[in-house]
Amino acid sequence: QQQVKQSPQSLIVQKGGISIINCAYENTAFDYFPWYQQFPGKGPALLIAIRPDVSEKKEGRFTISFNKSAKQFSLHIMDSQPGDSATYFCAASGGSSNTGKLIFGQGTTLQVKP
Amino acid sequence: KAGVTQTPRYLIKTRGQQVTLSCSPISGHRSVSWYQQTPGQGLQFLFEYFSETQRNKGNFPGRFSGRQFSNSRSEMNVSTLELGDSALYLCASSTGTSGSVSTDTQYFGPGTRLTVL
Repeated sequence: QQQVKQSPQSLIVQKGGISIINCAYENTAFDYFPWYQQFPGKGPALLIAIRPDVSEKKEGRFTISFNKSAKQFSLHIMDSQPGDSATYFCAASGGSSNTGKLIFGQGTTLQVKP
Repeated sequence: KAGVTQTPRYLIKTRGQQVTLSCSPISGHRSVSWYQQTPGQGLQFLFEYFSETQRNKGNFPGRFSGRQFSNSRSEMNVSTLELGDSALYLCASSTGTSGSVSTDTQYFGPGTRLTVL
């Protein structure tokens, strides 16, 4: 019940296209859903995050869509650029047993072709 | 502000040895969480320390331990290393005051790449 399932495992998109990564969770105690971006040799960096009281959050070219009833959330990268090529992780947290803890999806390796 | 620093960045050990990794959080942060990242298992939570106390622990064997000092710097130790312990070990710091990641954003360091031969 603590799992977060992420798909696809890898994604190839043309420059200017839309990249979409999906995640699903089971634990209804989760109340925070961040997305992290990781480049090779670096630690994950927070990209954007959402709480379940809103259905969508947009920051620049990055948008999170959140469906509370389906227990799913997704990251959309608009106008994808080669510099967006990285590994993306969705995560979740919340509930008394998850103090200081993020539960991560398995990651999606995104390649944006020029 | 300086970011989270981890030392060493790379480490090679042999089976049976023990290793200590260090993490210095962002100035003013009092919480340090540790994660193990492997290609097969992804990012998995090891433990979290706040004000020198372990506040949460993941599902790892007792060979994995940690501690936090009064200046918030943290160390993790792995004893009796196994081949499967080869991984990138990441620490993340936050203010930690609420205990909830939703209000205490975690900022990750670059990690320590541990190779066990």
